[in-house]
Amino acid sequence: GAGVSQSPRYKVTKRGQDVTLRCDPISSHATLYWYQQALGQGPEFLTYFNYEAQPDKSGLPSDRFSAERPEGSISTLTIQRTEQRDSAMYRCASSLGGQVNNEQFFGPGTRLTVL
Amino acid sequence: DQQVKQNSPSLSVQEGRISILNCDYTNSMFDYFLWYKKYPAEGPTFLISISSIKDKNEDGRFTVFLNKSAKHLSLHIVPSQPGDSAVYFCAASASGTYKYIFGTGTRLKVLA
Repeated sequence: GAGVSQSPRYKVTKRGQDVTLRCDPISSHATLYWYQQALGQGPEFLTYFNYEAQPDKSGLPSDRFSAERPEGSISTLTIQRTEQRDSAMYRCASSLGGQVNNEQFFGPGTRLTVL
Repeated sequence: DQQVKQNSPSLSVQEGRISILNCDYTNSMFDYFLWYKKYPAEGPTFLISISSIKDKNEDGRFTVFLNKSAKHLSLHIVPSQPGDSAVYFCAASASGTYKYIFGTGTRLKVLA
């Protein structure tokens, strides 16, 4: 596609529900990142994928958070048993891969509100 | 512990003048630094980067300076234009890692 897309753009859920966020990276991009961004803060690293491999998930806040990229393209981020503190903007980015220093292209984000 | 700090939450500059945005870091393992620009309701977009083997990188109106001994980098925009009004994030990574650490951002307002 032309850029990174994310869906839904907005999600409101009740505490305790599970949510799944989706990221469609740029089609030629091997590397995909997930970030969490609280209001007034910068993006905070959650995890990344090289194709379907997930070498680093050190930023996931708890075991309620998980991410998948089973075919090396589209990725999902799932938050189980959501809590109010999970409310944030969740951003996905992709890059060509192959080099650490490749430019990351960000999607518009999914704003999650947990009531 | 905030490894990448942008101590100025906001900055206002007159059109045509220089904008200087600052960023400090604490981790001496960081060797690659980037600046991103973000407009409202959009994702951040890459602006300019610098590797630790350099102390300056220039791209048009944008120049990034790196002072490794002070663990400080700055972004200079000259001349500033109203379209430069946005939030600017600096980010850093360590060699061999894909983990980028972002600062909290500086909101730049360029006054016409």
